[in-house]
Formats: sequence, structure tokens, C-alpha cells
Amino acid sequence: DAKTTQPPSMDCAEGRAANLPCNHSTISGNEYVYWYRQIHSQGPQYIIHGLKNNETNEMASLIITEDRKSSTLILPHATLRDTAVYYCIVSSRTGANNLFFGTGTRLTVIP
Amino acid sequence: GAVVSQHPSWVICKSGTSVKIECRSLDFQATTMFWYRQFPKQSLMLMATSNEGSKATYEQGVEKDKFLINHASLTLSTLTVTSAHPEDSSFYICSASFGPYGYTFGSGTRLTVV
Repeated sequence: DAKTTQPPSMDCAEGRAANLPCNHSTISGNEYVYWYRQIHSQGPQYIIHGLKNNETNEMASLIITEDRKSSTLILPHATLRDTAVYYCIVSSRTGANNLFFGTGTRLTVIP
Repeated sequence: GAVVSQHPSWVICKSGTSVKIECRSLDFQATTMFWYRQFPKQSLMLMATSNEGSKATYEQGVEKDKFLINHASLTLSTLTVTSAHPEDSSFYICSASFGPYGYTFGSGTRLTVV
């Protein structure tokens, strides 16, 4: 599975949009981009995933570049409860392959 | 849907004893489950892949005789930490594969060995 690169930490003001970047320059054609987050002492929570089109759900938006080498997770109106470590993962969606967790981005939402 | 229930959420045990952690898929069948370990301020590290009805596949450096995995049904996988020592204290997390979102995770088990 392709590796990802994320900034180790980011701050965001409460109510503002949080934009979390991820580089995955070695992604292959059959690999999806997944985003999970982990709030302290809990299991990872699914946020969103995509292949090549931009995606939006009730939690976030995912913007994938045309060459698929990078993506951005957008939390439109960050709240204090969004403070967590956010993981960008690329994986072929076979179900038999585990998700490889990098170091992620620690997002701190500031009041 | 696609909920994985993990128990216990925390456990304290004496050094040398064994601890069993359960991971159940509540509303779907999981032929494959994954066990991760997470030390403080570190990322999740895969320990083993658990396949229903067959032996688990362990990652390099993980002792299969120490971390016993049983996946006897499509809804239950267990991880037993045998002869636990303080260095085994960690946060253990299971996950299961399903479609269309891919993977769902348990809430984790905080193991403290004293």
C-alpha cells in the first residue's frame, strides 16, 4: 500500500474550516484514499473515503487532486470536539488488506 | 450499521497472568479482523490479521505464542495476552472489514500490567 505524508500538527480556530493536507504520490490506480480520526483513548472513527472524485458527507469534504497524488480533508466548521489525530490512508479496498496508519496530523481546535 | 464491539474497555492484571480481549461484529459478518497495538503518543501498529476458521497471520516481531488469536466464528475474534508483563501494557484495538466503507474499529482496550 502507498505511504502518506501529513503535517504532524495543525491548529484551527473554532467555527473556521480546517483543511488537512495529505501527500500520497505513490498511490496506484486501484487504491482509495481513506480518512479516519482518533480522539484520545478511543478507536479510530471513519470520516470519508474517495477514489478520484471529490466527496462530501455530513462530516467532511474530501478533495483529491486530478493526478491523485495529494488530497485535502475539509472540516467546514470545526468544533472543539473535532480535536483529534487525523489519519490519511491509501489502500486497495479488497477487505483483506489492513489499513496502514502513519503518524497522522494532530488537529487542535482552539476556542 | 457496521459496529464492532470490543471488551473490556480497560483491564488491569498482575504480571504473569493472561488477559483475553474480545472483538465482536454486531450487525455484519467479518471474515477478516485485524488487531492493532498503540503505545502512548504513537500510531497504531498492526499486530496480526485474524481469519475466520484459520490461523492468524502475525506481523514481524509479534510473538504468536504470546498473543493468541482465535477467530472461531464470523462475528467473534479474541486476543489473549499470555503471561503478561509490564511492557505489554498498551492500547489494543481491533477492526473488521466490511463494505462499502472498508473498515470499522472497536473502541479499544487499555491494558495495564502491574
